[in-house]
Amino acid sequence: QKEVEQNSGPLSVPEGAIASLNCTYSDRGSQSFFWYRQYSGKSPELIMSIYSNGDKEDGRFTAQLNKASQYVSLLIRDSQPSDSATYLCAPSETTNKLIFGTGTLLAVQP
Amino acid sequence: DTGVSQNPRHKITKRGQNVTFRCDPISEHNRLYWYRQTLGQGPEFLTYFQNEAQLEKSRLLSDRFSAERPKGSFSTLEIQRTEQGDSAMYLCASLRGPDTEAFFGQGTRLTVV
Repeated sequence: QKEVEQNSGPLSVPEGAIASLNCTYSDRGSQSFFWYRQYSGKSPELIMSIYSNGDKEDGRFTAQLNKASQYVSLLIRDSQPSDSATYLCAPSETTNKLIFGTGTLLAVQP
Repeated sequence: DTGVSQNPRHKITKRGQNVTFRCDPISEHNRLYWYRQTLGQGPEFLTYFQNEAQLEKSRLLSDRFSAERPKGSFSTLEIQRTEQGDSAMYLCASLRGPDTEAFFGQGTRLTVV
């Protein structure tokens, strides 16, 4: 089993729709979870962090965490073409080592 | 500009040659990671440091790869006897501490011919 699993996509959504990105992880001891965005040819940048079960909202972004199910998701409301990028899920393992999933490519169609 | 600097930005080398990359993290950050990324994949963990101590090295990493972070400042990643499969983007990330935001450098793109 991979440490972090994401659907590689591409996930195609129309402009203005909600994009839903999912991630499962294997280390039950993980306490911190991060979502990074990576534009083509660029380095990853942090967009959300979540540490507790439940939802965390920041503007158009909502992160959802369910530690019992080892599942974390990212919702993007009112998707814009500028949101088109690869979204990387990154749990911090029990040892505090930061690892990344393979990423989900999101394409927002104008 | 994240404040993390990587050099060189691009490196083309012949198979069998040794290469060394450098990463200068944000000065007050004590945690530093190296990742390798190929097209369509997420960053693959290579190794990381807490100050000058190397805490973990990926089991997937062969003995041809070595990294150092003398005095807990800049870090170097060396690949000996390069192979075509080593062609990738090598990313460095700097963190203030565990479970904090990772700031990435622009990466070093390695091409082995």
